[in-house]
Amino acid sequence: EVQLVESGGGLVQPGGSLRLSCAVSGFTFSSYWMHWVRQAPGKGLVWVSRINSDGSITSYADSVKGRFTISRDNAKNTLNLQMNNLRAEDTAVYYCARGKLGAFDYWGQGTLVTVSS
Amino acid sequence: QSVLTQPPSASGTPGQRVTISCSGSSSNIGSNIVSWYQQLPGTAPKLLIYTNNQRPSGVPDRFSGSKSGTSASLAISGLQSEDEADYYCAAWDDSLNGVVFGGGTKLTVL
Repeated sequence: EVQLVESGGGLVQPGGSLRLSCAVSGFTFSSYWMHWVRQAPGKGLVWVSRINSDGSITSYADSVKGRFTISRDNAKNTLNLQMNNLRAEDTAVYYCARGKLGAFDYWGQGTLVTVSS
Repeated sequence: QSVLTQPPSASGTPGQRVTISCSGSSSNIGSNIVSWYQQLPGTAPKLLIYTNNQRPSGVPDRFSGSKSGTSASLAISGLQSEDEADYYCAAWDDSLNGVVFGGGTKLTVL
């Protein structure tokens, strides 16, 4: 059974940092692109970042470029998102998702990040 | 303001057929494949349609997708109460070099 479990969310002050992780199981993690997608409270889905199967290619939404860093550890089946210089508008549930055939075919349950003083 | 445009709401009665539109441009839907997601209240999104019109295993054939030019549509036939959810379209955007989503459509089953 494919499982994606996010962790690391919480309350952080503006300008602070947080590191999200996504532990995966049930599939060959090292064969897939992985993504982060976020959803602000009561709002729609927004793509954040992606990383290719071996970690050599990354992409970011303009809103997080230069502040967020996506990475992966294929030996530990873990996807990460390092978030620095956080802003109030980064408040959202963050989902990790597996990429396949141009879509997100499996999603985690999400982890809530709240940026507030 | 989302790059892909969806109606904010749609509704239908049980058994009806409803369609949700998703309008984009040449840099996204016009040149890339479209996927659709269903998000039930309080849960993570679920893939409904990939590659414009393909259903993952386990998705009922009541759900179908289509694409024409710079627009796409999701059709739900034989509407059921459990279809009440938010629906999102998505596609890669060549200009933004990222995935773009529609703003979402809240489907109400009357």
